[in-house]
Amino acid sequence: DAGVIQSPRHEVTEMGQEVTLRCKPISGHNSLFWYRQTMMRGLELLIYFNNNVPIDDSGMPEDRFSAKMPNASFSTLKIQPSEPRDSAVYFCASSSARTSGYNEQFFGPGTRLTVL
Amino acid sequence: AQSVTQLDSHVSVSEGTPVLLRCNYSSSYSPSLFWYVQHPNKGLQLLLKYTSAATLVKGINGFEAEFKKSETSFHLTKPSAHMSDAAEYFCVVSDLGGFKTIFGAGTRLFVKA
Repeated sequence: DAGVIQSPRHEVTEMGQEVTLRCKPISGHNSLFWYRQTMMRGLELLIYFNNNVPIDDSGMPEDRFSAKMPNASFSTLKIQPSEPRDSAVYFCASSSARTSGYNEQFFGPGTRLTVL
Repeated sequence: AQSVTQLDSHVSVSEGTPVLLRCNYSSSYSPSLFWYVQHPNKGLQLLLKYTSAATLVKGINGFEAEFKKSETSFHLTKPSAHMSDAAEYFCVVSDLGGFKTIFGAGTRLFVKA
C-alpha cells in the first residue's frame, strides 16, 4: 500500500485566494483525520470523519475552513479566503477505527502551506 | 476531559546513552496512549501504543514505554540512543473510540556524537 497520500506537498498562495488540500486515505480505512501543525500551537486536530461522515469539527478554526469526504478514498480541506496566519503544515491521517478503539493513525507526508 | 503533558520540550543525550522522554496524562477513564515520532520534514510514525494488555509496551527501533496508572505516566525509554533517533516525539491520548486525539506539545530529542 502506498500509505496516506496528500497533495500538493507544498502550496504557496496569496492572501485571499482559495486553497484546496487533498488526501487519499489508506484503502480499507474508514476514519480520516485532518491536523494542522504550527510552531506556536503544535499539532491540532481540525476535523475527523468516520465512514465519510464528519464526526467532530470542533477543531476547525473558522468558517473559512471546510472539509469534505465525498467517498471513502478522498477528502479535501478548503480554506477560503486564505490568510497569512493559515500558514502551517497540514496533515491527513487515516485509521481502521473499530468500536473497540486503540487504533493507531497513519499519517501522510503533509502539505506545507504558505500564505503570503 | 483528557490532556497530555510532555514534561520536556528538548532532551539532549550522547550516542549510546539511555533516552527518557516523559509524558503525563489526564483522563477520566482508561485511556488509549500512543507515542509517535516525527523526523524533520516528515509525517508522523507510530512508535508504540498502550492497549491495556500489558503495562510495558515495546515499540519499533528499540523504544519502549511503561504505563503507570498510579503516576498517570507513560514515559518513553530506549537503552542506547542512536544518531538516527534525533527527531521530535509526541505523546498522544485518545478516547475509547480512538477518534478524539490530543497530542502533547512534543519533545525534541538531540543525539550528540
